[in-house]
Amino acid sequence: SQQGEEDPQALSIQEGENATMNCSYKTSINNLQWYRQNSGRGLVHLILIRSNEREKHSGRLRVTLDTSKKSSSLLITASRAADTASYFCATDPGGNDMRFGAGTRLTVKP
Amino acid sequence: GAGVSQSPSNKVTEKGKDVELRCDPISGHTALYWYRQSLGQGLEFLIYFQGNSAPDKSGLPSDRFSAERTGGSVSTLTIQRTQQEDSAVYLCASTDGLAIKAYFGPGTRLTVT
Repeated sequence: SQQGEEDPQALSIQEGENATMNCSYKTSINNLQWYRQNSGRGLVHLILIRSNEREKHSGRLRVTLDTSKKSSSLLITASRAADTASYFCATDPGGNDMRFGAGTRLTVKP
Repeated sequence: GAGVSQSPSNKVTEKGKDVELRCDPISGHTALYWYRQSLGQGLEFLIYFQGNSAPDKSGLPSDRFSAERTGGSVSTLTIQRTQQEDSAVYLCASTDGLAIKAYFGPGTRLTVT
């Protein structure tokens, strides 16, 4: 079963704009991670935020976590065409297992 | 190792045949995960191995699916009597056991005709 749910399901923006994706989850977590997938193949880890953190930055990525609302957001600033991909959040509801949401398909138009 | 590898990269099989999908995790990683992804969909959890503990099989969709992990390293996912709805990309990932920063293989695209 899936733990996280991303929204929107699809997002289309122009190059240079910011993209915001959201993730909601159901049970308590230790960590929440965001992954990126190109071309329907393997996922690549982007960033991890721990349950006691509220915000984290990595390059053009900014992740927030609100454990009271069981939600997280991923912001990609100054988007590029190369950011076009699907983005997934992953949570660890059982401690060491990882459950993914359905993903947000981001399209950045040049 | 260089990364997680999976084989074959593509598999076409006839309905009713059995298939075996292989995953070689990163050396030293104690946790291994299998997921299934249908076209344009999210990742469906299948099974999780952690060290010598009993695997978490809660995601296996039917008793036609089974997986094993030999010697705490290589894992094989077996699908018996394949059905057309089994067509999907099967993804394997490994971590050092802390469910942090999983490394994914490139996947096996299974097509059941």
